[in-house]
Amino acid sequence: QVQLQQSGPGLMKPSETLSLTCIVSGYPISSGFHWGWIRQPPGKGLEWIGSIYHTGDTSYDPSLQSRVSMSVDTSKNQFSLNLKSVTAADTAVYYCATLPREKSPYYYYTEAWGKGTTVTVSS
Amino acid sequence: DIQMTQSPSSLSASVGDRVTITCRASQGIENNLAWYQQKPGKAPKRLIFAASNLLSGVPSRFSGGGSGTEFTLTVSSLQPEDFATYYCLQHYSYPYTFGQGTKLEIK
Repeated sequence: QVQLQQSGPGLMKPSETLSLTCIVSGYPISSGFHWGWIRQPPGKGLEWIGSIYHTGDTSYDPSLQSRVSMSVDTSKNQFSLNLKSVTAADTAVYYCATLPREKSPYYYYTEAWGKGTTVTVSS
Repeated sequence: DIQMTQSPSSLSASVGDRVTITCRASQGIENNLAWYQQKPGKAPKRLIFAASNLLSGVPSRFSGGGSGTEFTLTVSSLQPEDFATYYCLQHYSYPYTFGQGTKLEIK
């Protein structure tokens, strides 16, 4: 059973860098799967932030591309999200998760989500 | 980018009702579509993959259909635990995009 445990700050000030980590248990990241970050602003829908493979290949949402980076650490079996220069608009619940692969509708993977980290950006 | 237009945004229904939610893609995505259910304060849960395939453990009252640009999620007989918000997700091409969500409420 794949489990994801998220860690990171809950309260941030504008212009700071958000750093979140997702620790994976029950599955070695180096074995594959497609890992991602999704966020949900208060009272709103789900937003895909970006995805990363165990190889380190990444894809990001264009609206965040200039501020976001993701990395994977296979030695610690975890992957991370960095979001620079946060503003109030970045206030949201942030989830890490396993995601479907691009153009691979039948790709099998174990569904897993972190419990979510509530990030509030306020001065 | 592929836009996913989901409708309705909210739906009021009774236990036992049959309901259908629609997602339309701005361009063809074949069957690279998943449906998720989210309950308040919880992470989403994937129900359907490849547009019409139920994940293991998902009740058979849920069904998905469609291909190309139009997709549906149908619940044949609503149960109390089905009242939640539902999202479609296209993974045909980056950036992945979710529909705006459909909040299913008890009438």
